[in-house]
This record gives sequence, C-alpha cells and structure tokens, in this order.
Amino acid sequence: EAGVTQFPSHSVIEKGQTVTLRCDPISGHDNLYWYRRVMGKEIKFLLHFVKESKQDESGMPNNRFLAERTGGTYSTLKVQPAELEDSGVYFCASSQRAGTSEKLFFGSGTQLSVL
Amino acid sequence: AQTVTQSQPEMSVQEAETVTLSCTYDTSESDYYLFWYKQPPSRQMILVIRQEAYKQQNATENRFSVNFQKAAKSFSLKISDSQLGDAAMYFCAYRRFDGGSQGNLIFGKGTKLSVKP
Repeated sequence: EAGVTQFPSHSVIEKGQTVTLRCDPISGHDNLYWYRRVMGKEIKFLLHFVKESKQDESGMPNNRFLAERTGGTYSTLKVQPAELEDSGVYFCASSQRAGTSEKLFFGSGTQLSVL
Repeated sequence: AQTVTQSQPEMSVQEAETVTLSCTYDTSESDYYLFWYKQPPSRQMILVIRQEAYKQQNATENRFSVNFQKAAKSFSLKISDSQLGDAAMYFCAYRRFDGGSQGNLIFGKGTKLSVKP
C-alpha cells in the first residue's frame, strides 16, 4: 500500500515567487492535514480537510497560504507570494477516520527554502 | 493553550544501551492523548507509541516504553537495546481527547537521537 506522498521533496524559490506543494494521501483516507515546521521550532498544525471540505483552518498563518482539496483526493498548498519566514518543512498527514482511534500517517515532507 | 516541551535537542546512545527522552506538557484538561513520533532522516514520520491519559498503565511497544506521570505532566520515552535504526528525530505530541480537529496534534521541538556503533 502506498503511503502519503508529497511533491516536491525540496523547493528553493526567491522571495515574492509562488510555490505549490502537493500531497497525495493514502487512498480512501478522508482526513488530510497540513503541518509546518519552521527551523528550530515546533511542528505546527495548519489545517484539516475532511474530504474536500476544510474542517479546521485555524493554523493557517495568513492569506498568502491557500489550501485546496478538489474532489477530496490530493491536496495542494500554495504560497503566494512567498516570504523568507515561510521557509521550513511542510508535512502532510492523512487518516481514515477521525475520532479516538484515529491513526495518522505522515508524508516525508517538503523542504521549502525561500531566499 | 496546551504546550509540549522537549528539553533535550540532541541525545546520543551506544548501540545496545538504553536511552530516555524527556517530554513535559502543560494542559488544564484531564483527558487527552500523548504520542511519540519518530522521523528518520528524509523519511516519513511514524508513530512509535501512544498513551491515553485516563490509563494508568504505561504503554509499551517492544523495545519502546513510556513513563507517564500525569500529575507531573511528564511523558518520557525509554528505548531499550538501542539499534542503529533508532537514529532519528523524535517528537513528543499531545492531542485533545474529545473534539476539535482530531489530527490537530501539538508537538514539541523534537530530540535528535544518534546511535553509536
């Protein structure tokens, strides 16, 4: 069974450019989460999709970040325009069902460097 | 707001020895979950062990066990008979028990574990 996959694994862009990160969850997983780890800091929750709907986007830092999950399959996270402080590792995770027995499966992350 | 603190940025252990990674947290809730995740270099983060706060018994998974001290809000991870494959970044995480985004984990900063042959 394929795990959670993320593209690209690394991205280096200049300040002001646009970058789109993609996450393919495990097939059949309705729940999809985005997290971010800025260097030297904690991994922070960004948002949660249930199928194609945003269940919780309380962690999104600002309106330069746009997440979508059209059709309830893969998700994209676009940063436009990118700023230096957006650098970090962006993780995606998915689960089959929410609740007390939920088990999250994480991707390997996308390392984003904004220069 | 809940917080998770890992006070050891880096740890090192000799192969076959035992190491303990520390984690403390702050919460006003009585029911919650605690987790240890492992992320090997350039690989996916995987769940190592999970503890429900309402359970007094410490969780154990093979060579991995926790020391859960609810009153002290401490949740340390013990790795016995350390192996080279245990080298990774270890994250302690907290999750609310009853609602909100179930996958909304609160993480510590992580501890980088090195295993020496």
